Amino acid sequence: KQEVTQIPAALSVPEGENLVLNCSFTDSAIYNLQWFRQDPGKGLTSLLLIQSSQREQTSGRLNASLDKSSGRSTLYIAASQPGDSATYLCAGDNNAGNMLTFGGGTRLMVKP
Amino acid sequence: EPEVTQTPSHQVTQMGQEVILRCVPISNHLYFYWYRQILGQKVEFLVSFYNNEISEKSEIFDDQFSVERPDGSNFTLKIRSTKLEDSAMYFCASSGIRTDTQYFGPGTRLTVL
Repeated sequence: KQEVTQIPAALSVPEGENLVLNCSFTDSAIYNLQWFRQDPGKGLTSLLLIQSSQREQTSGRLNASLDKSSGRSTLYIAASQPGDSATYLCAGDNNAGNMLTFGGGTRLMVKP
Repeated sequence: EPEVTQTPSHQVTQMGQEVILRCVPISNHLYFYWYRQILGQKVEFLVSFYNNEISEKSEIFDDQFSVERPDGSNFTLKIRSTKLEDSAMYFCASSGIRTDTQYFGPGTRLTVL
């Protein structure tokens, strides 16, 4: 059974800092790895999807990587802004796009 | 930009009552999902649905739960007899193909009293 872990649970950084959020998973037979953003009391906004054959994806100031052999994914946020403050969730699936298994999230606060 | 919508945004019900949560997936999507998030806990998968049948379900999705696509646009989750522990945020999601990004709706907060 896939287990997904995100450390740290919370992170506070000053504005402008580059930062890395970590996601680890127990089953390397992961197919897709998806990163989401969740604002308090809101739904999940998809940020990036890394498919099995890929090692990274980029969107604006965000870059996500996937290393299946080590069971890790990272989300890199460049030049953080207060508007980036949210909870970031990673989720993986093992059987070609059906059930996503979520990590517990990293709550990010970017201070002005 | 197309988005998944859910109604109602908040539902309060008495224990033992039936509730139906409604979702309108993105119009050309073929795969539909329900997840839930109990306050302070991880998002958990409930069920996936394709071609008018359930393709996968979790242990949470027992006989009290059912899903339906009653017409070409709506996708519903029914809980037959709600329990206190069903209180959670319920998210609907859809994807165009099986291996594509899952897009989530804003959620329905279900409170069971």
